[in-house]
Amino acid sequence: EVQLLESGGGLAQPGGSLRLSCATSGFTFNTYRLSWVRQAPGKGLEWISTISSDGATAYYADSVKARFTISRDNSKNTLSLLVDFLRAEDTAVYYCARAESRWFGAHYYYYLDVWGKGTTVTVSS
Amino acid sequence: EIMLTQSPATLSLSPGERATLSCRASQSVRASDLAWYQQKPGQSPRLLIYGASSRATGIPDRFRGSGSGTDFTLTISRLEPEDFAVYYCQLYGSSPLFTFGPGTTVDLK
Repeated sequence: EVQLLESGGGLAQPGGSLRLSCATSGFTFNTYRLSWVRQAPGKGLEWISTISSDGATAYYADSVKARFTISRDNSKNTLSLLVDFLRAEDTAVYYCARAESRWFGAHYYYYLDVWGKGTTVTVSS
Repeated sequence: EIMLTQSPATLSLSPGERATLSCRASQSVRASDLAWYQQKPGQSPRLLIYGASSRATGIPDRFRGSGSGTDFTLTISRLEPEDFAVYYCQLYGSSPLFTFGPGTTVDLK
């Protein structure tokens, strides 16, 4: 069974930092892109970052670029997100998700087929 | 940047009724890049549909995705009690890599 389990959330002060982790099992980790998606209280889903299967390429939403850093350890099947320079608006549940791919019409497309249960980040003084 | 809008914001229906949810893109997109998710309160999202019309593993056939160009639809043929939830469409692109719509809440009439 494919499983993703986030950890590392908690209370942080504005300007502070946290490191979120996502432990995975049940699939060949180093063949999948992985993503972080967050959800502010009572709001919708917001994609924030994706990392390639080999860790060489990272993608970020403009809202977190230069503040958040995604990384992965393919030897430990673990995904991480360093969240830095935190702001009140970063308060959210942070989900890690696996990005499955399909080839169609001369291009790959991706969708998020398995999600973790999320870890909550609260930014407050 | 392509934006997604979903309508209606809330759909109030009874079990057994048909639900029709709309997702509209601000410009024409590849149907293959469109997915739908379901989220129940306190739970993480669950993939329902990918490639606009392919059901994910384990998704009942009462869920059907369709559409092309700028207009996409998720249809639930006969609502079951467990189908009352929030539904999001999502687009795979270049920048940003994933875009979610604002969601449609299907609630009990």
